Amino acid sequence: DIVMTQSPDSLAVSLGERATINCKSSQNILHSSKNKNLLAWYQQKSGQPPKLLIYWASTRASGVPDRFSGSGSGTDFTLTISSLQAEDVAVYYCQQYYSSPYTFGQGTNLEIK
Amino acid sequence: EVQLVESGGGLVQPGGSLRLSCSASGFTFSTHAMNWVRQAPGKGLEYVSAITSNGAATYYADSVKGRFTISRDNSKNMLFFQMSSLRVEDTAIYYCVKLGVGSWYEAWGQGTLVTVSS
Repeated sequence: DIVMTQSPDSLAVSLGERATINCKSSQNILHSSKNKNLLAWYQQKSGQPPKLLIYWASTRASGVPDRFSGSGSGTDFTLTISSLQAEDVAVYYCQQYYSSPYTFGQGTNLEIK
Repeated sequence: EVQLVESGGGLVQPGGSLRLSCSASGFTFSTHAMNWVRQAPGKGLEYVSAITSNGAATYYADSVKGRFTISRDNSKNMLFFQMSSLRVEDTAIYYCVKLGVGSWYEAWGQGTLVTVSS
């Protein structure tokens, strides 16, 4: 199975500041023929199901604010929130969908400083 | 609007059985693969099972293989999860998930809580 490791486990950022979450996969998840990284990011607010934020490592899902961006390739990926808003408090997960089982990172708890 | 509504969760004793259901609407159910994903209390997300759009192929995490069975009824837009020989460690919220074109998890239900305890 592909192991996904996020860092940090927890992060506190001031309102309006940048938040950066990292995700590392144990194997290359770049699909060579599609030239796309098979990585997604999800946001889970307290008491709610997860919500898709980013797919193909950098494509925002419908309705996701443009302060959320994804980057990276191969084995190293980043989710960036350019200007943190109060409603962004949540746990964030990365996930690879390159090979089954589609594994998740352990999650990063994002709070307001 | 895509809607996924799970039901069937509850309290069951170890060794018992439970059948989860997921009612889908707002999209062409028969053209999408579906998954079950679970989340133990205070823990992260864990893939549990998958089924192709026509139900011809099913897949399971090692932790549930041989005990759980995923199925679907495309005529009724329903996804099912038969859970048997339940263990304490199966306690979790179980989410019904719609896969996107590229197999990312495009939409999630609200989840149904399964508690296995004596």
